[in-house]
Amino acid sequence: QVQLVQSGAEVKKPGASVKVSCKSSGYTFTNHYVHWVRQAPGQGLDWMAVFNPTDGSADSAQRFRDRLTLTRDTPTSTVYMEVSSLKSEDTAVYYCASAPGSGSGYYRFDSWGQGTLVTVSS
Amino acid sequence: QSALTQPRSVSGSPGQSVTISCTGTSSDVGGYNYVSWYQQHPGRAPKLLIYDVTKRPSGVPDRCSGSKSGNTASLTISGLQAEDEADYYCSSYAGSYTWLFGGGTKVTVL
Repeated sequence: QVQLVQSGAEVKKPGASVKVSCKSSGYTFTNHYVHWVRQAPGQGLDWMAVFNPTDGSADSAQRFRDRLTLTRDTPTSTVYMEVSSLKSEDTAVYYCASAPGSGSGYYRFDSWGQGTLVTVSS
Repeated sequence: QSALTQPRSVSGSPGQSVTISCTGTSSDVGGYNYVSWYQQHPGRAPKLLIYDVTKRPSGVPDRCSGSKSGNTASLTISGLQAEDEADYYCSSYAGSYTWLFGGGTKVTVL
């Protein structure tokens, strides 16, 4: 079955960057889009971006567009999300989620990674 | 784009039904049949419950159902069970390759 495994927790200082990985298995890597969603402590879900592993293209929410970089390593079926210029408000659990590339699958978040806690603190 | 509007909490006794609303605009909920719902237990990743407004993934009990009228989508959980106590989030495609989530609703089983 589809499984997404994310990298471990990170602690970063304000102004630094963080790179989170999301390794997929159980399906053909290029057949699913990968969304990124974050959740600040005690808060709700916040959609950040969607990545197409086939061609490396991405779309993101306006508020993240300048600080977000999405890449992939196809041989290892891994997608990476890098957030730069971190602020304390970026402290959150970051999730990757897969979306099937066929039919209406693109519009939902089918399977989720376990989440990666990123703490931004001086 | 603002988050979709959900009630902060709903509650019900075992066996009863609860309905969670998710209100957006004609640019998101009302404009597309791409509303989905997610269940999240504390400390866990969200889980897909409903997609395309009314469809259930395999493994999700038919006690969960979705609907939509105008700019408001709804999730109904019937035959409430203790394991249903969790946070629930709606999501909608919002056009231009962007998505929105609701603020989340805490369901309490009394």
